[in-house]
Amino acid sequence: ETGVTQTPRHLVMGMTNKKSLKCEQHLGHNAMYWYKQSAKKPLELMFVYNFKEQTENNSVPSRFSPECPNSSHLFLHLHTLQPEDSALYLCASSPTDVAGGTYEQYFGPGTRLTVT
Amino acid sequence: EDKVVQSPLSLVVHEGDTVTLNCSYEVTNFRSLLWYKQEKKAPTFLFMLTSSGIEKKSGRLSSILDKKELFSILNITATQTGDSAIYLCAASFAGGTSYGKLTFGQGTILTVHP
Repeated sequence: ETGVTQTPRHLVMGMTNKKSLKCEQHLGHNAMYWYKQSAKKPLELMFVYNFKEQTENNSVPSRFSPECPNSSHLFLHLHTLQPEDSALYLCASSPTDVAGGTYEQYFGPGTRLTVT
Repeated sequence: EDKVVQSPLSLVVHEGDTVTLNCSYEVTNFRSLLWYKQEKKAPTFLFMLTSSGIEKKSGRLSSILDKKELFSILNITATQTGDSAIYLCAASFAGGTSYGKLTFGQGTILTVHP
């Protein structure tokens, strides 16, 4: 148990559906992240939030829409996805420092998404 | 383009063997190198290395960073079947526009047979 929880753990959705992934961290961290992990590919960073402000959008298509209402919660809203978006979506959090340094990230268990 | 490359991509050993996993990186504004172990789902943090030549140890695992040659190694001695996992390394950046970013390698799949 890393202190980062994700729901749902599994999700099957059609290409016309709208769904949301939820992430919550109980570690008191100020930075949260979304990653995509596809088979045979490195983990890909999607979004970074620092103190609720989005600081990185790694050229992610607009059908993925993140939301960070506070430092403990992070959502990923999904709409009109494609079959190639099927993957494991991992959330992570980390502590920060005022100099902008990055500390180790703690990952949630992930949501296994299948788009049909 | 920032790049992290791991080798080998997969490795099969028997219990009791010692293994060395490699990670090389080419990144701008490098800060530290991190190692993770991923079994079923969430990667779990192993080490973060910021300085060259200082070995970090945790039980049978150890790791070291060479910032001149731009690589790190992860050693596992007396391997056990529970060490079977994907081992990921990642490079982190020293703030600025790349704040919070980790660039991951493709991982090494380690299988330890009894």
